[in-house]
Amino acid sequence: DSGVTQTPKHLITATGQRVTLRCSPRSGDLSVYWYQQSLDQGLQFLIQYYNGEERAKGNILERFSAQQFPDLHSELNLSSLELGDSALYFCASSPDPSGRPYNEQFFGPGTRLTVL
Amino acid sequence: GQNIDQPTEMTATEGAIVQINCTYQTSGFNGLFWYQQHAGEAPTFLSYNVLDGLEEKGRFSSFLSRSKGYSYLLLKELQMKDSASYLCAVVDTDKLIFGTGTRLQVFP
Repeated sequence: DSGVTQTPKHLITATGQRVTLRCSPRSGDLSVYWYQQSLDQGLQFLIQYYNGEERAKGNILERFSAQQFPDLHSELNLSSLELGDSALYFCASSPDPSGRPYNEQFFGPGTRLTVL
Repeated sequence: GQNIDQPTEMTATEGAIVQINCTYQTSGFNGLFWYQQHAGEAPTFLSYNVLDGLEEKGRFSSFLSRSKGYSYLLLKELQMKDSASYLCAVVDTDKLIFGTGTRLQVFP
């Protein structure tokens, strides 16, 4: 158990819909990272938040957005869903005090999204 | 841009040694990680190299050559539970970029 929690574990929805994925980091970690993992691709970095503010952006689509709340939990919002958005979505937290990815990241168990 | 290459699949025998290579091209290198990921599970940290050389941790070792853009993960005394994907990830400036991973199958 990494100490990072993600809900829900599984999500099945239809094209065009909107969903919200939730992540709670390990106690004391200020950084939250979001990743997408499809069958034919590796882990794709989406976005990072550090202490409530966006810190780095990867290959995140405009239909996707995220935020980090004062209690440090984070939500990833996916809208106008397409079949190709079906994937495993991981969040990770890190204790790096600089807010940079120079430390080990602790991954949550993931949310498996299926878009039908 | 970034480019990270590692073999797609490898096989090895229980008790043997296997080396998984990773080559990369980045504009702002700030370290290299190796993660292990069992099927359907979350990645877990194995090692971090930022300086050239070998880092040893139990049965696992990781090597880095920054001038060559090259790293390898060495797994000794292979066990069946080592069957997993091994992900090479490079810190490019302020982003962690993962390779597509190497799926290792260990046979008895």
